[in-house]
Amino acid sequence: GQQLNQSPQSMFIQEGEDVSMNCTSSSIFNTWLWYKQDPGEGPVLLIALYKAGELTSNGRLTAQFGITRKDSFLNISASIPSDVGIYFCAGQAVGGSQGNLIFGKGTKLSVKP
Amino acid sequence: DAGITQSPRHKVTETGTPVTLRCHQTENHRYMYWYRQDPGHGLRLIHYSYGVKDTDKGEVSDGYSVSRSKTEDFLLTLESATSSQTSVYFCATGSGMSANYGYTFGSGTRLTVV
Repeated sequence: GQQLNQSPQSMFIQEGEDVSMNCTSSSIFNTWLWYKQDPGEGPVLLIALYKAGELTSNGRLTAQFGITRKDSFLNISASIPSDVGIYFCAGQAVGGSQGNLIFGKGTKLSVKP
Repeated sequence: DAGITQSPRHKVTETGTPVTLRCHQTENHRYMYWYRQDPGHGLRLIHYSYGVKDTDKGEVSDGYSVSRSKTEDFLLTLESATSSQTSVYFCATGSGMSANYGYTFGSGTRLTVV
């Protein structure tokens, strides 16, 4: 089936540093979504992207829909301890099953105060 | 939020016993999903529903069944629990035909099969 390759798998950074992570696919996507999962909770939607090249921000988070439509990027600026968690990319592939998202395996972020 | 409630939140069960997990939503969303989350595997789709009594298999459906008799409830049953089904299970809902607006997730059920 279709897969999303999310990297890195984990990051351990110092508070205040910027963070970048990305998601790639061999298929073209018409929607990219970024979720965050806090420990012991379900994932929560952070940002949704719908057009190639689109750049969208949510506070210190910025995500981009790649112009090839096969990738997406998430940046977190000036990280703080509450940014700790697992970040998932998800998308709906062109020609994919309507109503069903494909998820990456997640990037686990740890922040050292 | 979609007001998704998963029950129980934690369960320990013995190998070979049947187990049913419940997902209840209050937002009248048409689509409902069951995922399992395991280290190194991310979120894997077990089964999903696109309406009352309409369900279909996901990528890891073996050993699981589902039922949806009402819009608000989606049940996941492990017919005969095995240790490989020890996992965290998440229910999610989607409002539309397209997944473009994303899903809303419940808080999860941690299941341990001993």
